[in-house]
Amino acid sequence: AQTVTQSQPEMSVQEAETVTLSCTYDTSESDYYLFWYKQPPSRQMILVIRQEAYKQQNATENRFSVNFQKAAKSFSLKISDSQLGDAAMYFCAYGSNYKLTFGKGTLLTVNP
Amino acid sequence: GAVVSQHPSWVICKSGTSVKIECRSLDFQATTMFWYRQFPKQSLMLMATSNEGSKATYEQGVEKDKFLINHASLTLSTLTVTSAHPEDSSFYICSGRSGRDGNIQYFGAGTRLSVL
Repeated sequence: AQTVTQSQPEMSVQEAETVTLSCTYDTSESDYYLFWYKQPPSRQMILVIRQEAYKQQNATENRFSVNFQKAAKSFSLKISDSQLGDAAMYFCAYGSNYKLTFGKGTLLTVNP
Repeated sequence: GAVVSQHPSWVICKSGTSVKIECRSLDFQATTMFWYRQFPKQSLMLMATSNEGSKATYEQGVEKDKFLINHASLTLSTLTVTSAHPEDSSFYICSGRSGRDGNIQYFGAGTRLSVL
């Protein structure tokens, strides 16, 4: 079974600074997807970014980018120019056969 | 992104009663819908997967007779918690995936169930 590990239960960042959230996963599959979802206090899950495992190029969405290291099974999220609205729980997720396996989450606090 | 509506957002019921939660995909056809359970300050745990017109597939440890899932159309799935007990109190979240970009799941806003 696939497992997703987020080793940082909590992180904090100053507004306008950069923060990196860590995620590692374990799988024996070669074809899969990786995701970062954000869950703000409203508890609505919002897709932040997606990475296809077969792509070597790291995905980027505006201020959000990933560092995907397939051999190391690592998938970190970098948030640049952090904003107060970025404060949320961030979940790393592994996707295969249309199912998602989530990590335990990292609670991100943004300090003004 | 695609929109998934979940209703109700919060429900309180008495022990022994049944509660139905609806999940609708508003602007896409959800080939598959998923139901998750989330305990406070914890991650999402997949309960079951449902394909339109087929019986749901439940994850190990999930009681299919307690959590009845119906996916009657490409835009509607329902989760019924039967004979609810206080231990069923939790946050339930649905998601749907379309056939176009099947690897992305779009989530509803969740339902908080409180069983007294």
